[in-house]
Amino acid sequence: QSVLTQPPSASGTPGLWVTIPCSGSSSNIGKNPVNWYQQLPRTAPKLLIYKNNQRPSGVPDRFSGSKSGTSASLAISGLYSEDEGDYYCAAWDDSLNAYVFGTGTQVTVL
Amino acid sequence: EVQVVESGGGLVQPGGSLRLSCAVSGLSFSDAWMSWVRQGPGKGLEWVGRIKSKRSGGTTDYAAPVRGRFSISRDDSKSTIYLQMNSLKIEDTAVYYCAYIAWAPVAMNSWGQGGLVTVSS
Repeated sequence: QSVLTQPPSASGTPGLWVTIPCSGSSSNIGKNPVNWYQQLPRTAPKLLIYKNNQRPSGVPDRFSGSKSGTSASLAISGLYSEDEGDYYCAAWDDSLNAYVFGTGTQVTVL
Repeated sequence: EVQVVESGGGLVQPGGSLRLSCAVSGLSFSDAWMSWVRQGPGKGLEWVGRIKSKRSGGTTDYAAPVRGRFSISRDDSKSTIYLQMNSLKIEDTAVYYCAYIAWAPVAMNSWGQGGLVTVSS
């Protein structure tokens, strides 16, 4: 099982916002940068946030990331129906010497 | 624009072997770090492994479930990486994605479309 824990689901109404938490430990989030990926239905994953709070070119500023201690979170503001999909946090784990993904959160726009 | 294209998926029996290829264009491939990620049916994302550029040592790292059975290699002359999968198990059934690591250690910014590997008798 994954060493990064996320809630299985989150929801919000269009135009409002949703926050997705990611809980880790001192060997992963506590020491290394966190990345966030979005996977829309039947598509390959897409990098949304890297190095805790940086957005790759083309990612809207509606998506923001933060990290504190051994936890991180992704905030999506101004929700659109096309934001519906699965969201994963990820980080390098020094103890496992491996990259680990979170359990994933399915976002629903009500 | 970076383009990533996987090939080589298919059906294989338990205990068998299979090799996936991943061709990359749109960047200086010899400097690229690359990674493989898989997703089992109805499951979340699982990191498989990565290979660094030769300039960074060309070393590989693997997730525990595949360590010792899978190996990643690269051919810079063909801008291609490979995933050699041996001693395949039913639980290795998944869509396998190849991805370009844009920011170390493993922030993957360009992904292929994925290739299905089915391990079944």
